[in-house]
Amino acid sequence: DGGITQSPKYLFRKEGQNVTLSCEQNLNHDAMYWYRQDPGQGLRLIYYSQIVNDFQKGDIAEGYSVSREKKESFPLTVTSAQKNPTAFYLCASSLGTAGELFFGEGSRLTVL
Amino acid sequence: DQQVKQNSPSLSVQEGRISILNCDYTNSMFDYFLWYKKYPAEGPTFLISISSIKDKNEDGRFTVFLNKSAKHLSLHIVPSQPGDSAVYFCAASSLSGSARQLTFGSGTQLTVLP
Repeated sequence: DGGITQSPKYLFRKEGQNVTLSCEQNLNHDAMYWYRQDPGQGLRLIYYSQIVNDFQKGDIAEGYSVSREKKESFPLTVTSAQKNPTAFYLCASSLGTAGELFFGEGSRLTVL
Repeated sequence: DQQVKQNSPSLSVQEGRISILNCDYTNSMFDYFLWYKKYPAEGPTFLISISSIKDKNEDGRFTVFLNKSAKHLSLHIVPSQPGDSAVYFCAASSLSGSARQLTFGSGTQLTVLP
């Protein structure tokens, strides 16, 4: 089945540690995105990538890093520089004209 | 500064009645508008979209209306069903260079009462 797979679903991290969230898609989509969701807020764009080996910062990129070495994969690293990393992280890919996004199941990161 | 606003954080509707979810935007460069549905601890799923050159798009029980002069869109669900209970996000799409980006509203929690 085609889709987007995020792992892990739940992750706990101590303060000061970096953590990497995985995102893999087999939809053959060129564009991939990382969003963050906090309670009572909409989805905010962290980073996006239109093609392999290229990515751009979104609205809240500080404290995050990404790579796009393969079309299928777009991992997100939450670094120790991110001041408030506890959140629900969503990866998405896009093919449609309007930018319809297909989302993964999400990863919930909790910093202890 | 929020470019896409959903001013009602929650809405309760009786089963079988109409649900109307509203969304306002400020950026005239948005050329597509989309609605997503989200259950807890899951990713959002795409529901329906509308191009800025149209004023209505219908798909089964879901209809989206766009009023460009008022910069307002709404999602109508008729008839509402208990399974429709979820958070609904409005999103607006624009081109940034060669990249298309979505800007999301804060969401409306819809509860359909049996």
